[in-house]
Amino acid sequence: SQTIHQWPATLVQPVGSPLSLECTVEGTSNPNLYWYRQAAGRGLQLLFYSVGIGQISSEVPQNLSASRPQDRQFILSSKKLLLSDSGFYLCAWTLAGGTYEQYFGPGTRLTVT
Amino acid sequence: QQQVKQSPQSLIVQKGGISIINCAYENTAFDYFPWYQQFPGKGPALLIAIRPDVSEKKEGRFTISFNKSAKQFSLHIMDSQPGDSATYFCAASSKTGANNLFFGTGTRLTVIP
Repeated sequence: SQTIHQWPATLVQPVGSPLSLECTVEGTSNPNLYWYRQAAGRGLQLLFYSVGIGQISSEVPQNLSASRPQDRQFILSSKKLLLSDSGFYLCAWTLAGGTYEQYFGPGTRLTVT
Repeated sequence: QQQVKQSPQSLIVQKGGISIINCAYENTAFDYFPWYQQFPGKGPALLIAIRPDVSEKKEGRFTISFNKSAKQFSLHIMDSQPGDSATYFCAASSKTGANNLFFGTGTRLTVIP
């Protein structure tokens, strides 16, 4: 069966510091991968998606970037965090090649102080 | 522009009652309509999904009703329980692109004992 991991689970970082969030998927190959952000009490905002290694599409211009160095690894980064980067970051995966179920990871709660 | 519109924003139901959440879409290319359940501090979990070749899908106490001509779909939770208290998101996707999901804004359901 497939599982998705995210770490860290929680993170408190000062403004201006760098960020690296990691997501890995087990039990599948060549998945589509996604990063979402969810502000407190709000909906899901798609940040980035990837259909393969090194292939990143950005949905919202912002202070963040994403990379996919391996087939089942997706990384969300920032060089300098802003207060507005606080939120709940979710990674998700789905099978490629059609409309299939999308499964979410447990999330990372980021607080920028 | 919100591709999937969801209502109501919040819903309070008595234990044993029926909870109904509605969603509407415009893009006729959408061919997959999932519902997600999210508890505080957790990632969204896929609850139930439907494709437009059927008008209804039932899994336990959860039913999706789908009206292709009206471009609407709804989630019905029968015999609502306090444990169903969560935020529910509808979504839609199409075969074009990277199977990106377009989410509704969410409904916070509270089931009163």
